[in-house]
Amino acid sequence: EPEVTQTPSHQVTQMGQEVILRCVPISNHLYFYWYRQILGQKVEFLVSFYNNEISEKSEIFDDQFSVERPDGSNFTLKIRSTKLEDSAMYFCASRGTLDRGYNGYTFGSGTRLTVV
Amino acid sequence: AQSVSQHNHHVILSEAASLELGCNYSYGGTVNLFWYVQYPGQHLQLLLKYFSGDPLVKGIKGFEAEFIKSKFSFNLRKPSVQWSDTAEYFCAVRGDDKIIFGKGTRLHILP
Repeated sequence: EPEVTQTPSHQVTQMGQEVILRCVPISNHLYFYWYRQILGQKVEFLVSFYNNEISEKSEIFDDQFSVERPDGSNFTLKIRSTKLEDSAMYFCASRGTLDRGYNGYTFGSGTRLTVV
Repeated sequence: AQSVSQHNHHVILSEAASLELGCNYSYGGTVNLFWYVQYPGQHLQLLLKYFSGDPLVKGIKGFEAEFIKSKFSFNLRKPSVQWSDTAEYFCAVRGDDKIIFGKGTRLHILP
């Protein structure tokens, strides 16, 4: 079964540093998302991305965050200057369309970001 | 805007007990509804989904859910739980092009 792949699985970074979280969505999917889950809290929507631009973003997704699809396969989330409160599990997701076997959203296994 | 409410934050059951986890949603339009499961140390996995048609949806691992439109509910059920069902369960709704998750229910099954 196709998977969404995320790397790294765990990243530790110092406060103020930039991090890039990487995702490889399912190959024929066109819609991409980032979610995060702070320990003990619910999964929260960050951003959706389609046709090389942001479709929607939440209030969490401020100027410190950016997303990019640098090539045909990767989808990245960059945090420019990390804060302690950015520590969370970050999930990438993708979905297809009805004519491409739409089966809901497929989530990656997540990247645990720890800011120290 | 859509929202999801899960009634139980933490449920403890013995093996072979029946399970029902409550979920209510708020959204004015056509919804897609999901239940996801997150086993300890693992990622979110889709248990089942409702898009349209039969409101009783069967998913993996013996789980099912019933969509009751008049109650805005999508409760998850399993007639007989196993120790391996210990996990966190998230109800989710898709209205606009994003999923909104409930806060999750942590299920602990006693062997």
